[in-house]
Amino acid sequence: EIVLMQSPGTLSLSPGERATLSCRASQSVSSSYLAWYQQKPGQAPRLLIYGGSNRATGIPDRFSGSGSGTDFTLTISRLEPEDFAVYYCQQYGSSPRTFGQGTKVEI
Amino acid sequence: EVQLVESGGGLVQPGGSLRLSCAASGFTFSSYGMSWVRQAPGKGLEWVSGLSGSSGSPDYADSVKGRLTISTDNSKNTLYLQMNSLRAEDTAVYYCANGFPRAPSEYWGQGTLVTVSS
Repeated sequence: EIVLMQSPGTLSLSPGERATLSCRASQSVSSSYLAWYQQKPGQAPRLLIYGGSNRATGIPDRFSGSGSGTDFTLTISRLEPEDFAVYYCQQYGSSPRTFGQGTKVEI
Repeated sequence: EVQLVESGGGLVQPGGSLRLSCAASGFTFSSYGMSWVRQAPGKGLEWVSGLSGSSGSPDYADSVKGRLTISTDNSKNTLYLQMNSLRAEDTAVYYCANGFPRAPSEYWGQGTLVTVSS
């Protein structure tokens, strides 16, 4: 099983600042089958990035993903008030599909 | 518009059974793989099970293998999760989502809460 470790656990920032979230895998994630999701309280997760760096439909370009192998990064270039949420990475290239433990981005 | 609507959650005693349903619309259900993902109260996301749309092959997390069964009824565009021998640690919101095996989950239902308690 591929274990995903996200860091930091919590990121305290202000609107307009840049957020950099890390996701490190215990083994190489095949063909960059790595996704990022945003979840707000009481809501289902929302797909942001897939394939390591591809934005999902309707996702603003302030969200970007990068990385390969075992190290992946989600960057939010300028935080908007609606971006304060929990972010999860997920690998979907190997069974079982696994999620990281999440990074909370708070004001 | 793609919609996924879960139902069937509720309170069940340890050792009991429950069947969750996920009604899908807005896409060709039989052509796509589907997953169940759960979230225990205050915790992170855990993938539970997936079913390939092409091969019909199921897959399960080790934590539920032998107790949970995923299936579909393509005539009803519905995904199911039969849950047997339930434990307190199965208490969670269960989401259905598209995407399996090698596809991300772009569409999610609103979730249904399963509580296992005496």
